[in-house]
Amino acid sequence: EVQLVESGGGLVQPGGSLRLSCTASGFTFSPYSMSWVRQAPGMGLEWVANIKQDGSEKYYVDSVKGRFTISRDNAKNSLYLQMNSLRAEDTAVYYCARDGYCSGGSCYSAVGNFDIWGQGSMVTVSS
Amino acid sequence: EIVLTQSPATLSLSPGDRATLSCRASQSVSSYLAWYQQKPGQAPRLLIYDTSNRATGIPARFSGSGSGTDFTLTISSLEPEDFAVYYCQQRMSWPITFGQGTRLEIK
Repeated sequence: EVQLVESGGGLVQPGGSLRLSCTASGFTFSPYSMSWVRQAPGMGLEWVANIKQDGSEKYYVDSVKGRFTISRDNAKNSLYLQMNSLRAEDTAVYYCARDGYCSGGSCYSAVGNFDIWGQGSMVTVSS
Repeated sequence: EIVLTQSPATLSLSPGDRATLSCRASQSVSSYLAWYQQKPGQAPRLLIYDTSNRATGIPARFSGSGSGTDFTLTISSLEPEDFAVYYCQQRMSWPITFGQGTRLEIK
């Protein structure tokens, strides 16, 4: 079964740090770029960060630049999000997502096309 | 940043009805527009990518159309499981952005 499983969420004080992990299974991880998308309580979806297949290029939404770092370990089929200097407005469910699509029995990488999602990990920033 | 505006915010229809959801971009996104469905407590699910391509396992009653700045998601005959929130999303340029969502509710 193709699956993404996030972990590492929790309650953290403003200014604190947290590291989210996402472990992939059921597909070959390394050919795909990967992203993090978040959703504040009762709100819509917000793309947070993207990393290319080999980690050579990374992109971030302006609101997290300089505070969040996306990384990956292809040998461990894992994606990470290091979150520093956390603010109340970072409170959200954080989803990892595969950038790709499947057609005609084959699957392909496609940056910004989120075809597989994890179940989400809740991050609460509060004192 | 490309802003996506979805309309209507809420759509009240009955099972068997035809649903038409709109998404307008502040500048051209070419054909790089996707649609997602999200039910309460669940992760979003990709329905349509690159304007009109159905994702794996998505029923044929879902279809997408449009180009440039104006896009439409059509559900030809609503099933009870289709009542959810729908988001459009562009991948034409960074940052990737989503619309604010359309809530499809049972009338």
